[in-house]
Amino acid sequence: DTAVSQTPKYLVTQMGNDKSIKCEQNLGHDTMYWYKQDSKKFLKIMFSYNNKELIINETVPNRFSPKSPDKAHLNLHINSLELGDSAVYFCASSRLAGRDEQFFGPGTRLTVL
Amino acid sequence: GDSVTQMEGPVTLSEEAFLTINCTYTATGYPSLFWYVQYPGEGLQLLLKATKADDKGSNKGFEATYRKETTSFHLEKGSVQVSDSAVYFCAQITGNQFYFGTGTSLTVIP
Repeated sequence: DTAVSQTPKYLVTQMGNDKSIKCEQNLGHDTMYWYKQDSKKFLKIMFSYNNKELIINETVPNRFSPKSPDKAHLNLHINSLELGDSAVYFCASSRLAGRDEQFFGPGTRLTVL
Repeated sequence: GDSVTQMEGPVTLSEEAFLTINCTYTATGYPSLFWYVQYPGEGLQLLLKATKADDKGSNKGFEATYRKETTSFHLEKGSVQVSDSAVYFCAQITGNQFYFGTGTSLTVIP
């Protein structure tokens, strides 16, 4: 039974398109995160939600908009995709914000052509 | 500000060699410390953790000790295997934030 799942696993699209990545966790955690991992494996936190409320919003272009319909789901919508958005995007969750280890999803590899 | 600095890679070792990956942290409070492992094509998995000074985390033959005096949490394994080839991330939690190091790629050759 997958703890943190993401769809799709791969996403190939053209510049200028709008796309969404979905994330779901079945761990009963209160906090969820989005990370971007570049080609050098560097991880950058983008957003964090605690009980559907945004608590971390790093310097990310406003083309990126997270949405949390309930505490088990955190989706990432990206408008007007650019070449530099190509990366692997990871969703993660933790029981408590800032206290417990995070559990990661398998990642979504986004390629913008 | 708070951060994590870990040894740059890539690291290449022969099977059964001893592994050390250095990690140091800066924190205003008393962080919890973690090592995560990322196998090729997968997400990060928690490898081990320590929540207070002098704690030792261990898992799958890997160990790391929380050293407050040197602000370090070095990862060690006595005898690496080919299956340990992965990227290793040191991380800390301070306040509301989770800080990851830049990752160290390890390749173990037979």
